[in-house]
Amino acid sequence: GAVVSQHPSRVICKSGTSVKIECRSLDFQATTMFWYRQFPKQSLMLMATSNEGSKATYEQGVEKDKFLINHASLTLSTLTVTSAHPEDSSFYICSRTSGASTDTQYFGPGTRLTVL
Amino acid sequence: GQNIDQPTEMTATEGAIVQINCTYQTSGFNGLFWYQQHAGEAPTFLSYNVLDGLEEKGRFSSFLSRSKGYSYLLLKELQMKDSASYLCAVKFFNKFYFGSGTKLNVKP
Repeated sequence: GAVVSQHPSRVICKSGTSVKIECRSLDFQATTMFWYRQFPKQSLMLMATSNEGSKATYEQGVEKDKFLINHASLTLSTLTVTSAHPEDSSFYICSRTSGASTDTQYFGPGTRLTVL
Repeated sequence: GQNIDQPTEMTATEGAIVQINCTYQTSGFNGLFWYQQHAGEAPTFLSYNVLDGLEEKGRFSSFLSRSKGYSYLLLKELQMKDSASYLCAVKFFNKFYFGSGTKLNVKP
């Protein structure tokens, strides 16, 4: 079964509003989780690393004031897209590492954001 | 920056074998991973390599040459359900950097 959940799966909002996306690790206490963005027909772009109890680390070119990340517990990370604009419309996916020897990532089902 | 290249699209016939290549130039390396992604869904893990050589998992195999910055994913006995995008990703410390993905079309 799923080990990472995301909510909501789809959201449509007006330009200028803020949208919060939740990512939950269902079976593992994840001190680190990751947020990706995927535009149509493109690959996943790592946005930031979410660290439990401390500030997120952002990849170059990602605006930390626009994409607020909070990792308040070992099972929940949230991404808030502030003052969303149509160019923020994308597929947002979170993940956590497995903790096993393969150390792969397990991805959430993704959130489709459409900004009108 | 990280530079990871894959062919954009490939087409193969059901029952055949297809090889999807991935080349990378990254500032560090802790492993190379392959994922499958169907449209509108999250990626799912297929295979990974840390050391040079071939790793086999059923119909899927992955090969790595670290000196050449090269990997491939081999899919055998292709099925229609294998039509999807295939992403290679380089792990660097605890982060994963993805290639652009290869869309595989399997035709009858």
